This record gives sequence, structure tokens and C-alpha cells, in this order.
Amino acid sequence: EAQVTQNPRYLITVTGKKLTVTCSQNMNHEYMSWYRQDPGLGLRQIYYSMNVEVTDKGDVPEGYKVSRKEKRNFPLILESPSPNQTSLYFCASTPNQGGNQPQHFGDGTRLSIL
Amino acid sequence: SQKIEQNSEALNIQEGKTATLTCNYTNYSPAYLQWYRQDPGRGPVFLLLIRENEKEKRKERLKVTFDTTLKQSLFHITASQPADSATYLCASVGGNTPLVFGKGTRLSVIA
Repeated sequence: EAQVTQNPRYLITVTGKKLTVTCSQNMNHEYMSWYRQDPGLGLRQIYYSMNVEVTDKGDVPEGYKVSRKEKRNFPLILESPSPNQTSLYFCASTPNQGGNQPQHFGDGTRLSIL
Repeated sequence: SQKIEQNSEALNIQEGKTATLTCNYTNYSPAYLQWYRQDPGRGPVFLLLIRENEKEKRKERLKVTFDTTLKQSLFHITASQPADSATYLCASVGGNTPLVFGKGTRLSVIA
């Protein structure tokens, strides 16, 4: 089954404790991205990757890192999480950046930073 | 900067009626517009895509229009059902810019 898998689904942690949210897709998509979703602000792009070893900042990249060492995986790293990064996070993939293909989203990761 | 806006935060309609959701864009000309459905706590799910040279696209009870003069896309659900209750997001791409999402419209279909 074609899917985007995120882990963990839920995480409560404390300020400053490094964490990684994993994302994996099995559709051989080139383009992957991370979004955060907050009430009243909608989906905002954090980082995106057009292919292996190619990443770029989205609208809200501060406090986040990503890597794309393999085509299928696109982890999101919070080196020193802070309470303002408490949010619902989504990973998405699509065959290319062009916008003429649908995005496939994971089920989300709800992060709470205390 | 390019903006995409869904004017209604929430919309309530009676079962069986047609729901119409609006998406407006400013400061750019998107080549494509996409519509997604999102249920609480879940990721958005793709519904329909319409190209700038298409006026209308249909899929079962869903219809999307794209009016480049009004800079607007309308999303219609005919014969709405309580199961259609969800948040609907529009999204667009202009040139080489990444996909930008509207904030969504929460639709409630009342039986």
C-alpha cells in the first residue's frame, strides 16, 4: 500500500532534549516536505527536499533541521526543542515539485514540548 | 507575497444541500489548484486538482471550478451528507514556488 509513515505519532518531551521525527515513503517520490499545523495558522511548510541531498527552507525553518540521505526517508530534527514548537507535524511526499501531482500526507505527529 | 485565502472558517449546511467553499489567491497566478480533505487528527487527503486552463473538474459528487479572472476557485459538494463533515483545504503552486495551503474551511453537514 502506498503510504507515508511518520513516527512517533505522539511525543511529550521537555525543553532542550533533542528529538527526531522520522518520515518514510514507499512511492519512490522525489519531493518530500515537512509542515506544521497550528490553530488559526493552517499548514506551514518547514523544510522541503527536491531529491536526495537537496534540501531547502520553507516558510518556518527556524529551530529545525532535516536531512535526505536516501530517497525514501526525510527525518525532521529538533536539536533543542522549545515550547513554541508544540504543534501537529505532517510529512508529505509527491512525485515532483511542479504542483500537478497530489501530495501524500502521513498521519501526523503531535509534539508537546514542556 | 503570494497569498491564498479561504474566506470562511466554518460552514454549516443541511444534509442534501450543495456546499460551496471558496478559495481566493492574490499576487500570483497559480498553474494548478488542489483541494484536500482533512479529518480531525489526520493528514490531509487529496481530492481534486484543476489546471489554470480548465474551467471545471468533477469527481462523483465533487466539483471544482477555476476562474482566473476572479482569481478564485470554488469547491462544491452536491447532495451533502454528514460524512462529508471535515475541514477542506485548498492549495496552489505558482511557477517554481512550493505548494501553499489555505487555512481551511470546516464544513459541518447537519442531518
